[in-house]
Amino acid sequence: GAVVSQHPSRVICKSGTSVKIECRSLDFQATTMFWYRQFPKQSLMLMATSNEGSKATYEQGVEKDKFLINHASLTLSTLTVTSAHPEDSSFYICSARPNTGTGGARGYTFGSGTRLTVV
Amino acid sequence: GQSLEQPSEVTAVEGAIVQINCTYQTSGFYGLSWYQQHDGGAPTFLSYNGLDGLEETGRFSSFLSRSDSYGYLLLQELQMKDSASYFCAAPTGGFKTIFGAGTRLFVKA
Repeated sequence: GAVVSQHPSRVICKSGTSVKIECRSLDFQATTMFWYRQFPKQSLMLMATSNEGSKATYEQGVEKDKFLINHASLTLSTLTVTSAHPEDSSFYICSARPNTGTGGARGYTFGSGTRLTVV
Repeated sequence: GQSLEQPSEVTAVEGAIVQINCTYQTSGFYGLSWYQQHDGGAPTFLSYNGLDGLEETGRFSSFLSRSDSYGYLLLQELQMKDSASYFCAAPTGGFKTIFGAGTRLFVKA
């Protein structure tokens, strides 16, 4: 089955520093990947759609200069949280679906998530 | 706007059957998916309905009625390990997926 690897699983950083999170599709190519944010006991909120070879599409209210997304290849998207602040502490999850096959509107595969704590 | 509504919590006993409902309002409809998420983990795909009716996958079944903008997830023979959050989700145009707020299921012995 489709596997998405996300790294790191946990990161603690100091306020004002930047953190990069990687999302890789291991056994399939993904033109499009998605980045979500989840606060404790809340739902997943879509932050942005990562498009291979072009600019990411950000959801309303998400600062593109703060959450930098790069999708340089068909198997890798990165999310960089710049100048992190304690309020950025959250669970960040990526998801992707294969370019081919019957993925379609069916289930997407999620990475294992990254727990970011900004101190 | 687009939204999916589901109950915040459900409690059931081991061995029982539980139904988690989801009503949706979306611009364009491409089906309803269900995901399970244990605390600290990532969501895992459970089931998908693109057409009306029941889809069965082992102990889990999912139902959709597009005329009622309604679906549900049915969990049978509940086990303690089924304690988790369950999300209904709907793909929208552009392959984006929006999620309901999630239903926390507590399974008691």
